[in-house]
Amino acid sequence: DIQLTQSPSSLSASIGDRVTITCRASQTISDYLNWYRQKSGKAPELVIYAAAYVQSGLPSRFSGSGSGTDFTLTITTLQPEDFATYYCQQTNTAPYTFGQGTKLEIK
Amino acid sequence: QVQLVESGGGVVQPGRSLRLSCAASGFIFSSYTMYWVRQAPGKGLEWVADIWYDGTKTKYADSVKGRFTISRDNSKNTLYLEVNSLRGDDTAVYYCARDVVYGDFYHALDVWGQGTTVIVS
Repeated sequence: DIQLTQSPSSLSASIGDRVTITCRASQTISDYLNWYRQKSGKAPELVIYAAAYVQSGLPSRFSGSGSGTDFTLTITTLQPEDFATYYCQQTNTAPYTFGQGTKLEIK
Repeated sequence: QVQLVESGGGVVQPGRSLRLSCAASGFIFSSYTMYWVRQAPGKGLEWVADIWYDGTKTKYADSVKGRFTISRDNSKNTLYLEVNSLRGDDTAVYYCARDVVYGDFYHALDVWGQGTTVIVS
């Protein structure tokens, strides 16, 4: 199975900050990489698909980039609702594995 | 609106069984591959199983293979997960999710239910 490693595991930031989360795959996955946001006690929601495309209805402060094995999720101008846990997921090869998560906390 | 609602979770003894359900509404259920994803307390997301839009193909995580069975009834817009021989490490919130395909190749889970909790104790 393809392993996804996210860094950092946790991150503290303030409202209005810009943050970047990284996801590294154990083998190349082209751009078959999604990002999800999970607010506390809620189901995950799709944020980015195909590495770089913002899901409909999500604000443009989210952006994704990368290809091959290294990917990033960037959130500019953090809002209160962005303090959550973020997961990457690869859909290049079944099983479609998830990263271990990055918890974004308010400073 | 597009919605998935899970049910069937509960507290169950080790070795026992449960059937989880996921009722879909607001979209053409029979057109979509569906997933079960679980999350153990304080842990990350784990893909459990998925089933093609017409039910003809299923896949399972190694951790549940032979114990769990995914199925669907497109006439009832409902997804199921039969969970047997339950173990303590099956304790989790179980989510159903819809698989969407962008541009013919890019899969993602774009709609999720609120989850149903299974506690094995």
